[in-house]
Amino acid sequence: GENVEQHPSTLSVQEGDSAVIKCTYSDSASNYFPWYKQELGKRPQLIIDIRSNVGEKKDQRIAVTLNKTAKHFSLHITETQPEDSAVYFCAARFGNEKLTFGTGTRLTIIP
Amino acid sequence: KAGVTQTPRYLIKTRGQQVTLSCSPISGHRSVSWYQQTPGQGLQFLFEYFSETQRNKGNFPGRFSGRQFSNSRSEMNVSTLELGDSALYLCASSLPGQGRTIYFGEGSWLTVV
Repeated sequence: GENVEQHPSTLSVQEGDSAVIKCTYSDSASNYFPWYKQELGKRPQLIIDIRSNVGEKKDQRIAVTLNKTAKHFSLHITETQPEDSAVYFCAARFGNEKLTFGTGTRLTIIP
Repeated sequence: KAGVTQTPRYLIKTRGQQVTLSCSPISGHRSVSWYQQTPGQGLQFLFEYFSETQRNKGNFPGRFSGRQFSNSRSEMNVSTLELGDSALYLCASSLPGQGRTIYFGEGSWLTVV
């Protein structure tokens, strides 16, 4: 089955700087890659996703890049703000298979 | 449109007891999946149901079971509770189809004592 590795497990950045979280997946057939943000005590919420026919996708300060050859994808957050502090999860899935999550990255924005 | 609703939100059970958690998906969503979240293990997939049939299953013991009703509502049951079952249980729903986004409920916090 699919295996997703996520790095780093914790990340601290100065407010206004950029943050990058990386994930690798094992199943080359995976074709859907979402990112979820989970604030303390709240549900995970989708912030951006990408499909395998696209190499990059942006939504304001958030972007995701996908390298199918290397089987890795990354989340980029620019101009970080205090409200970006949360745990971020990447995930991968092929077709109707289960969605497999990474172990999460705790991002802390330092004012 | 109402989101995914899970009940109960918090519960405390004793070792050896059983528990049933309920999930009402977003209206029109026919796929429901369940995840266990613990501090050290992230989001672990339990199972997924679509049209009352289990479509995918994670690597959990048989004590964990689930079902889906004709109105797409789902329940999961854990029998013979163990201390290690203490976790946040998240339900998520989605429309059918590939590349579908899943939307999570607030979860049910289970504490086993």
